[in-house]
Amino acid sequence: GIQVEQSPPDLILQEGANSTLRCNFSDSVNNLQWFHQNPWGQLINLFYIPSGTKQNGRLSATTVATERYSLLYISSSQTTDSGVYFCAVSNSGYALNFGKGTSLLVTP
Amino acid sequence: ETGVTQTPRHLVMGMTNKKSLKCEQHLGHNAMYWYKQSAKKPLELMFVYSLEERVENNSVPSRFSPECPNSSHLFLHLHTLQPEDSALYLCASSQDRGPEAFFGQGTRLTVV
Repeated sequence: GIQVEQSPPDLILQEGANSTLRCNFSDSVNNLQWFHQNPWGQLINLFYIPSGTKQNGRLSATTVATERYSLLYISSSQTTDSGVYFCAVSNSGYALNFGKGTSLLVTP
Repeated sequence: ETGVTQTPRHLVMGMTNKKSLKCEQHLGHNAMYWYKQSAKKPLELMFVYSLEERVENNSVPSRFSPECPNSSHLFLHLHTLQPEDSALYLCASSQDRGPEAFFGQGTRLTVV
């Protein structure tokens, strides 16, 4: 399957700071999603972004498919942004291949 | 509010018990999935059903038995589990192979 690498594995921010999370993948993809896993375990859809740039409030994402990476930007971080951020990809099959995630802690 | 609902949210079971996890999707999708999330490991696909037929089975032990009676419901029947099967089990749905999958809240399973 496609290999997905996320960096950094862990990140601690003070409230109000900005951050960039990275996702590298090993093959061409036709589906790329970013998720936020809250402390209760639920995966919240952030972006469906196999290519291009999208923004939603304080979050934005960019995928450069030709170079096989995607970036998730979090601006003016809040404590509620804490949790694990996952990148997941697929390229024709049903299954999503997940990275190991970036664990984010935003402190007051 | 999620379009994919899982019950129960938490389950503790002994190794000789039989239990079932339930998933229901209200999104009109035709594909449903079970994923397993163990501590310190990426989410792993277990099963995929499309139009109520199993289309992927990712080398999962037979003590896990899926059932998809219709395109809105998916079950995972559990029997004689091992402590290492303790994990978060997540259900998801999508329309065919994409473009986007949506997940339920998960069932946190502990096998004692």
